[in-house]
Amino acid sequence: AQSVTQLDSQVPVFEEAPVELRCNYSSSVSVYLFWYVQYPNQGLQLLLKYLSGSTLVKGINGFEAEFNKSQTSFHLRKPSVHISDTAEYFCAVTHTTGFQKLVFGTGTRLLVSP
Amino acid sequence: DVKVTQSSRYLVKRTGEKVFLECVQDMDHENMFWYRQDPGLGLRLIYFSYDVKMKEKGDIPEGYSVSREKKERFSLILESASTNQTSMYLCASSSGPSGQYFGPGTRLTVT
Repeated sequence: AQSVTQLDSQVPVFEEAPVELRCNYSSSVSVYLFWYVQYPNQGLQLLLKYLSGSTLVKGINGFEAEFNKSQTSFHLRKPSVHISDTAEYFCAVTHTTGFQKLVFGTGTRLLVSP
Repeated sequence: DVKVTQSSRYLVKRTGEKVFLECVQDMDHENMFWYRQDPGLGLRLIYFSYDVKMKEKGDIPEGYSVSREKKERFSLILESASTNQTSMYLCASSSGPSGQYFGPGTRLTVT
């Protein structure tokens, strides 16, 4: 079974500052990893995903994440945030074989202030 | 683009009522999912389906049932709504490992 830990429930940051949202996972088998964003009163939108290949993955809205197998991490980063990035961010994992159910972390609320 | 639609954005029901939440996807995805989302608990899987008429329990199926009569449609049924089922309900669909695509959600309040 997999599990996902997002240690930070809330991350406050000023506009144009860099940000890193942390995600660690636990799994005994190979995994696929995902980051989703949820704006207020909306569903989840896929930001980026790691399936294979390069460990540095680029997504929409200037976000990127790096898969680190030895540290079982998949941290999300953005070099300069905007007010519009204020949202909740969810990390998710699934195993690479069989039916792929996603296991989600509890989310990190990114609060960008001017 | 994948589109997942849910029948209602907001719904208010009384305790004991039977509630139907509908979800439709337009990308011919074989897999569909129902989650509920509560503050501090993240997303929890209620039921999923990998084919028409096939369904599997997720992590919290108690008090819910589902129906998938057509590939594009996946319905969540609350047989007798209770106040502890007040939540945001999210539907998703997928095909293979590319990730799940979510609808806008239905915020259900049971009074």
